[in-house]
Amino acid sequence: DVVMTQTPPSLSVAIGQSVSISCKSSQSLVYSDGKTYLHWLLQSPGQSPKLLIYQVSNLGSGVPDRFSGTGSQKDFTLKISRVEAEDLGVYYCVQATHFPRTFGGGTKLELK
Amino acid sequence: EVQLVESGGGLVQPGRSLKLSCLASGFTFSNYGMNWIRQAPGKGLEWVASISSSSSYIYYADTVKGRFTISRDNAKNTLYLQMTSLRSEDTALYYCARLSGSWGQGVMVTVSS
Repeated sequence: DVVMTQTPPSLSVAIGQSVSISCKSSQSLVYSDGKTYLHWLLQSPGQSPKLLIYQVSNLGSGVPDRFSGTGSQKDFTLKISRVEAEDLGVYYCVQATHFPRTFGGGTKLELK
Repeated sequence: EVQLVESGGGLVQPGRSLKLSCLASGFTFSNYGMNWIRQAPGKGLEWVASISSSSSYIYYADTVKGRFTISRDNAKNTLYLQMTSLRSEDTALYYCARLSGSWGQGVMVTVSS
């Protein structure tokens, strides 16, 4: 199984600050079609997960451009520029290249 | 507006069965592969099963293989998860989702005597 290692497990940030979350996979996430199926999700408190970024760097519908995703092969990063209060929650990366699909352990974003 | 609405959860005794449903709307359901994902209380996300758009390809997590069956009815825009031989460790909030798209609000399954 592909192991997704997410760091840090938690972050405490001030409004307006920028943060980055790392997600590393134990295998390359490049599929046979040449695409990389690495997605980022946000689970706000008491809510179901919501898609932020799909295929490494594509913004989900309605997601503000403060969010950005970069990376390739086995090393990926989610960046949040100018954190807002509504950004708090748990961030997950998930790979949809290989079966079984696997999630990172999550990064809890808290506000200072 | 894309919507995924799960139903069918509840409290069930160990060893019993339960069937979850997920009604999709706002998109062409028959064009997309779908997934069931679960989240045990206070824990992270765990992929359970996937089914391709035409049901040709089906995959399961090892933890549920042989006990759970994913299926879909594209005419009814509905995804299903038949769960049998339920165990306490299956207790979780079950989400219907497109991993690169929308998620439902989840339905709780509690396995307890």
